[in-house]
Amino acid sequence: NAGVMQNPRHLVRRRGQEARLRCSPMKGHSHVYWYRQLPEEGLKFMVYLQKENIIDESGMPKERFSAEFPKEGPSILRIQQVVRGDSAAYFCASSPQRQSYEQYFGPGTRLTVT
Amino acid sequence: TQLLEQSPQFLSIQEGENLTVYCNSSSVFSSLQWYRQEPGEGPVLLVTVVTGGEVKKLKRLTFQFGDARKDSSLHITAAQPGDTGLYLCAGGRRDDKIIFGKGTRLHILP
Repeated sequence: NAGVMQNPRHLVRRRGQEARLRCSPMKGHSHVYWYRQLPEEGLKFMVYLQKENIIDESGMPKERFSAEFPKEGPSILRIQQVVRGDSAAYFCASSPQRQSYEQYFGPGTRLTVT
Repeated sequence: TQLLEQSPQFLSIQEGENLTVYCNSSSVFSSLQWYRQEPGEGPVLLVTVVTGGEVKKLKRLTFQFGDARKDSSLHITAAQPGDTGLYLCAGGRRDDKIIFGKGTRLHILP
């Protein structure tokens, strides 16, 4: 019963370092979404990927942030030169269909920038 | 900009009471989902509604999609401490991204 897996669960980085967050979708799901959640806030869409393609990155900051979903392996959300404002919970979700009505979420990665 | 407004933001009630939380928008959605999120965890999908006026029940939880598909409600009967959590609604249009509300934080007092 493998759901969406994310690692690490907690990540601490100093300002200026790189943060790399991983997401393995549910078995059979080829669509991955990344969201960011700040305390007392809802989920903010960042990027939607299908295998080897970025479909919608309209929620992604133009600088320092990138995402990929290679043919083999997990999806990666990369944040370069992290700043304190990047501290948040980052969630990955997957679905079996494009822009499916239903997305299944992982447990999240909590990034703390010191 | 599509927005989903959830109300109330916070709700604290005694075990055994009934409650209703709301999700409203000025936009029409093809579908609407409700999720529950517990501290330190990801959101868990509770239900999806797609038809205007649709009502779905999940044990003590009753979900309704408005006739015009712009709003939804979640009613909990005889609330229990295990119902405590952040309830998020999310609306989607065909071939467009899903939008999340900010959630209702529910606390059931034993």
